[in-house]
Amino acid sequence: EIVLTQSPTTMTASPGEKVTITCRASSSVSYMHWYQQKPGASPKPWIYETSKLASGVPDRFSGSGSGTSYSLTINNMEAEDAATYYCQQWNYPWTFGGGTKLELK
Amino acid sequence: EVQLQESGPGLVKPSQSLSLTCSVTGYSITSNYWGWIRKFPGNKMEWMGYISYSGSTSYNPSLKSRISITRDTSKNQFFLQLNSVTTEDTATYYCARCRSSYSPMDAWGQGASVTVSS
Repeated sequence: EIVLTQSPTTMTASPGEKVTITCRASSSVSYMHWYQQKPGASPKPWIYETSKLASGVPDRFSGSGSGTSYSLTINNMEAEDAATYYCQQWNYPWTFGGGTKLELK
Repeated sequence: EVQLQESGPGLVKPSQSLSLTCSVTGYSITSNYWGWIRKFPGNKMEWMGYISYSGSTSYNPSLKSRISITRDTSKNQFFLQLNSVTTEDTATYYCARCRSSYSPMDAWGQGASVTVSS
């Protein structure tokens, strides 16, 4: 099983700040998916195949990476971006990272 | 627009079976892949398994001896059964759709909270 380690586990950011969340895999994967989840809601697909934005995702979000290291970046943090973000890889068995809780400062 | 809705008991006794139904509207479960994911208290998420458009299944090996995913295409529903539950199976259970076995889960149910307790 491929273990995904996200960092940081929690963070705060001010409006306008640049945010980077990292996801490291225990073995190489072809690409990474990312989800956003807010309290009381189900996860939403956010970034897929490493760098493609899901429908409706603002273009201040971006994704990058390869092999064992992937990241999600927010340019110009906004209040609505406060949420928990999860990475997920698709090699069997599918696994998720532990999540990064992003709060607004 | 596809919509998924989980249903089932919110409380299950230890050693019993957990059974959940995912009702799908707006899309046929004879296309794509349909899975179950759970989120534990403390935020850890675990993929449990899926059933494909053809009815074939894939399960997380950590659950393989306890899990079964089946479907009723006439009702456009698929089901989760998890046997011999313990308190460690307490979680929110989600059903979701994947376009393929390597795609992200692009449609989710609202989640069903299940507590295992005597």
